[in-house]
Amino acid sequence: KAGVTQTPRYLIKTRGQQVTLSCSPISGHRSVSWYQQTPGQGLQFLFEYFSETQRNKGNFPGRFSGRQFSNSRSEMNVSTLELGDSALYLCASSLEQALYNEQFFGPGTRLTVL
Amino acid sequence: SQQGEEDPQALSIQEGENATMNCSYKTSINNLQWYRQNSGRGLVHLILIRSNEREKHSGRLRVTLDTSKKSSSLLITASRAADTASYFCATVLNSGGGADGLTFGKGTHLIIQP
Repeated sequence: KAGVTQTPRYLIKTRGQQVTLSCSPISGHRSVSWYQQTPGQGLQFLFEYFSETQRNKGNFPGRFSGRQFSNSRSEMNVSTLELGDSALYLCASSLEQALYNEQFFGPGTRLTVL
Repeated sequence: SQQGEEDPQALSIQEGENATMNCSYKTSINNLQWYRQNSGRGLVHLILIRSNEREKHSGRLRVTLDTSKKSSSLLITASRAADTASYFCATVLNSGGGADGLTFGKGTHLIIQP
């Protein structure tokens, strides 16, 4: 079975731009969660989608948004990029609701904001 | 703020020795999870222990949970060079996660010396 895939793997943007990251979960998994990892703040939960509905949301500004499609693939969008948005963005999938089940992580998208 | 805090921040041991990492958290949890992250394999789920469980084993890994002390420990026995990685504990609050989702600690960086 193929693992979680994320595209692109690396991205460089400038302040003020917007970016869309993509995540394809493991086949059959219905939950997709997104995390931001930085050296200063560590791993922080962004949001979880389950059956196309946002189930949980972390403490991030409204510039961070996401969605999930009927095939469980998910996208995350960050608008009006700031320097502090530079981070590794990780996507994880699980069979059922993420918080109570094993999650499988993708390799991440490394975003650099200049 | 971080819900889980790992201790120590860094640990260096000889191959073959046992490694113990601790995690303390602040509020009542539904479950606690341990993850490993290294550059080769990304972030990998190790063990999930529920609040009504006290101990779980998986291969060379042993996790304990003491809800009265709000702490957990991860023991890796007979360490190998491949165990070199950062280890994170993550908690799900007893409220069902809600807005906080899965909250990670800053991690313990484990180095196995050959």
